[in-house]
Amino acid sequence: GAVVSQHPSRVICKSGTSVKIECRSLDFQATTMFWYRQFPKKSLMLMATSNEGSKATYEQGVEKDKFLINHASLTLSTLTVTSAHPEDSSFYICSASPGRGVANYGYTFGSGTRLTVV
Amino acid sequence: AQSVTQLDSHVSVSEGTPVLLRCNYSSSYSPSLFWYVQHPNKGLQLLLKYTSAATLVKGINGFEAEFKKSETSFHLTKPSAHMSDAAEYFCVVFLHGSSNTGKLIFGQGTTLQVKP
Repeated sequence: GAVVSQHPSRVICKSGTSVKIECRSLDFQATTMFWYRQFPKKSLMLMATSNEGSKATYEQGVEKDKFLINHASLTLSTLTVTSAHPEDSSFYICSASPGRGVANYGYTFGSGTRLTVV
Repeated sequence: AQSVTQLDSHVSVSEGTPVLLRCNYSSSYSPSLFWYVQHPNKGLQLLLKYTSAATLVKGINGFEAEFKKSETSFHLTKPSAHMSDAAEYFCVVFLHGSSNTGKLIFGQGTTLQVKP
């Protein structure tokens, strides 16, 4: 089955530094990748959608200059949290799909990254 | 607009008893619906999905859900709970966008507790 690998699973960084999170589709080409943020005991909040060959589309209220998303290839997407602050501490999850906008293709989720900014 | 509402934030059952997690959806046309499970500090695993085929959908680990258009519901059930079922469950609807795009919209989540 489709597998999405997310790395690192856990990262601690100092305030003001940048952190990069990788999301890879291991056995399929991901036309579309999504990045979510999850607060403790809360649901997933979609941050942005990235389609191969185009810039990421950010959800309302998400700072595109702070959360840089690069869909570098059909198997790799990265989320860079720039100038991190403690309020950016959260659980970040990526998702990938071989299809573009079609539910039948399915969506596979990574195992998530726990970011702690100190 | 499409959305999902999970009616219970927390459900507690005893091991071996039935599980019912409720979800209602709002959609202007036939939706695509999913149930995902998340164990602590883990990613999400797809339990099952409805995409306009059979209204009774069977998923993994003994879970199933029935799409009821008249009630706009997609409740998740399991005949007998197991301790390993304790987790967070999300009802999700697929939101169609323009230019052949789309995204998943998550419900608020239901925490399932299974007591021995």
